[in-house]
Amino acid sequence: AQSVTQPDIHITVSEGASLELRCNYSYGATPYLFWYVQSPGQGLQLLLKYFSGDTLVQGIKGFEAEFKRSQSSFNLRKPSVHWSDAAEYFCAVGARSYGKLTFGQGTILTVHP
Amino acid sequence: DTEVTQTPKHLVMGMTNKKSLKCEQHMGHRAMYWYKQKAKKPPELMFVYSYEKLSINESVPSRFSPECPNSSLLNLHLHALQPEDSALYLCASSQEEGARTDNEQFFGPGTRLTVL
Repeated sequence: AQSVTQPDIHITVSEGASLELRCNYSYGATPYLFWYVQSPGQGLQLLLKYFSGDTLVQGIKGFEAEFKRSQSSFNLRKPSVHWSDAAEYFCAVGARSYGKLTFGQGTILTVHP
Repeated sequence: DTEVTQTPKHLVMGMTNKKSLKCEQHMGHRAMYWYKQKAKKPPELMFVYSYEKLSINESVPSRFSPECPNSSLLNLHLHALQPEDSALYLCASSQEEGARTDNEQFFGPGTRLTVL
């Protein structure tokens, strides 16, 4: 069965500081990995995705993530956080042949001015 | 147009009511999804439709009844709900079912449901 762990429930950073959100997955085959962002009461927006190839993936809004198979990780990074990045971030793993996305518990990001 | 729309935005219903949630997309996607998201929790898959046929039912109680009348529209019919069913209901769509390079799920803004 596929599963995702996001160890950090809540992270606080100062505006302009760098950010890393952790994600560990468990999946029996080649994982398909995603990072989504959700503002309060809103739907989810895809930041980036990994299917194969280059293990460093670039996304929208200046985010990137690195897939490390040996560590079963897919951590999200941003070099300089903006106040508008405050939101909840979900890592998810998807299956090749069927539509289920399994999400981690989410990490709430607070940005201090 | 890369938008998934959901109506209504908010819904309050009693336990004896019957109501429906609606989801629409005009991206030509052939897979559509319902997720349930409780407060401070991640979304959980409820149903998947692929080419207008039910593909996945994640053991959802029968008081939730999905319907896919055509490839652009997905409904969720609600009947005899419980207060613990109060949640944000998210709809999503993708080109096809399953994860592929070009096959991301696009999410709607959700319907906030409160059951009294």
